[in-house]
Amino acid sequence: QLQLQESGPGLVKPSETLSLTCTVSGGSISSNSYYWGWIRQPPGKGLEWIGTIFYSGSTYYNPSLKSRVTISVDTSKNQFSLKVRSVTAADTAVYYCARHVSSGWGLIDYWGQGTLVTVSS
Amino acid sequence: DIVMTQTPLSLSVTPGQPASISCKSSQSLLQSDGKTLLYWYLQKPGQPPQLLIYEVSNRFSGVPDRFSGSGSGTDFTLKISRVEAEDVGVYYCMQSIQLPFTFGPGTKVDIK
Repeated sequence: QLQLQESGPGLVKPSETLSLTCTVSGGSISSNSYYWGWIRQPPGKGLEWIGTIFYSGSTYYNPSLKSRVTISVDTSKNQFSLKVRSVTAADTAVYYCARHVSSGWGLIDYWGQGTLVTVSS
Repeated sequence: DIVMTQTPLSLSVTPGQPASISCKSSQSLLQSDGKTLLYWYLQKPGQPPQLLIYEVSNRFSGVPDRFSGSGSGTDFTLKISRVEAEDVGVYYCMQSIQLPFTFGPGTKVDIK
């Protein structure tokens, strides 16, 4: 059974960098059949797609965040990571990592449980 | 960006009764290969979203057949034939025909 687990600090100061890692277990991240993504949800609000990466390193970002976001992959550790620079309170959210099926990117079949990141001094 | 709208934003349903949620997109979600890239997700309280329907009308693995999706172009509908207590949560439609992927605002369903 595939599992995705987010990890990283739950509290980040304004103007600093938010860093999260998603560890994939029960399957290989190095598959042509899947992409790996990050989606966030501010408390009490809806879902926002942040970006997606293929195991080769190809990345796709939401233009609204692109200038501040980097997603990377480490196939040796079966992990992918998210960095959001210059955070503000508006970046406070539950961050989910997820698996997209290559044949239809909107088909997200596995999600992590999510991790709450609060931006506050 | 493609804007996704949903109606209603909240719905209170008696168990055993049907429910219907509408989703509209600001652009057609029909791809050149004939696929329509519209998906439905349910986020139960305290959980990540889970896929219900992909490409308008295909139930994902394990999804009960009381859930059905329909529509084309820019207008879509999710129907629950007989709502059960476990169906409470927020339902989101999502498009993936164009980056950035975008979600509807969500429809909160609860039980009367």
